[in-house]
Amino acid sequence: KQEVTQIPAALSVPEGENLVLNCSFTDSAIYNLQWFRQDPGKGLTSLLLIQSSQREQTSGRLNASLDKSSGRSTLYIAASQPGDSATYLCAVRPPGFQKLVFGTGTRLLVSP
Amino acid sequence: DAMVIQNPRYQVTQFGKPVTLSCSQTLNHNVMYWYQQKSSQAPKLLFHYYDKDFNNEADTPDNFQSRRPNTSFCFLDIRSPGLGDAAMYLCATSRAGEREQFFGPGTRLTVL
Repeated sequence: KQEVTQIPAALSVPEGENLVLNCSFTDSAIYNLQWFRQDPGKGLTSLLLIQSSQREQTSGRLNASLDKSSGRSTLYIAASQPGDSATYLCAVRPPGFQKLVFGTGTRLLVSP
Repeated sequence: DAMVIQNPRYQVTQFGKPVTLSCSQTLNHNVMYWYQQKSSQAPKLLFHYYDKDFNNEADTPDNFQSRRPNTSFCFLDIRSPGLGDAAMYLCATSRAGEREQFFGPGTRLTVL
């Protein structure tokens, strides 16, 4: 059974810092991995999607990497801003399944 | 803009009183999903529709049902809500064979 873990559970940084969020999964057989942002009481906003054959994806200040063999992904946020404060969730899609298996998220607070 | 819409955004119901949550999409995606997210937990898939085919997760309680009358709409019915069913309910869509899931803003359900 696929399990997804995110460490740390919470992170507080001053504005301008570069930071890394970690995601690990127990079964390396995945179809893809998706990173989401969730603001308090809101739905999920897709940030980046990495296919199993890819090593990384970039969007603006965000860069996500995938190491399938070790069951890990990282989300790198450059030059963090207070507006980046949110919970970041990673989710993997097992092959042959439509569903996503989510981690519990990292709650990020960026202070001015 | 193409999007996933959920109504209502907030729903209060009484213990045991049936409730229906609504999701619609303008993306013309084949697949629609319902996830349950309890406070500080990871979203958990309840079921999904692949076109008209209903796919229930093995551990989804019988209290939860779903209907998809057409491509655009999908409903979540909770027949007899208990206090433990209070959660955020997230609807998502994807195009079969494509990769990314798109989420709506969620419906926050409170059970009194």
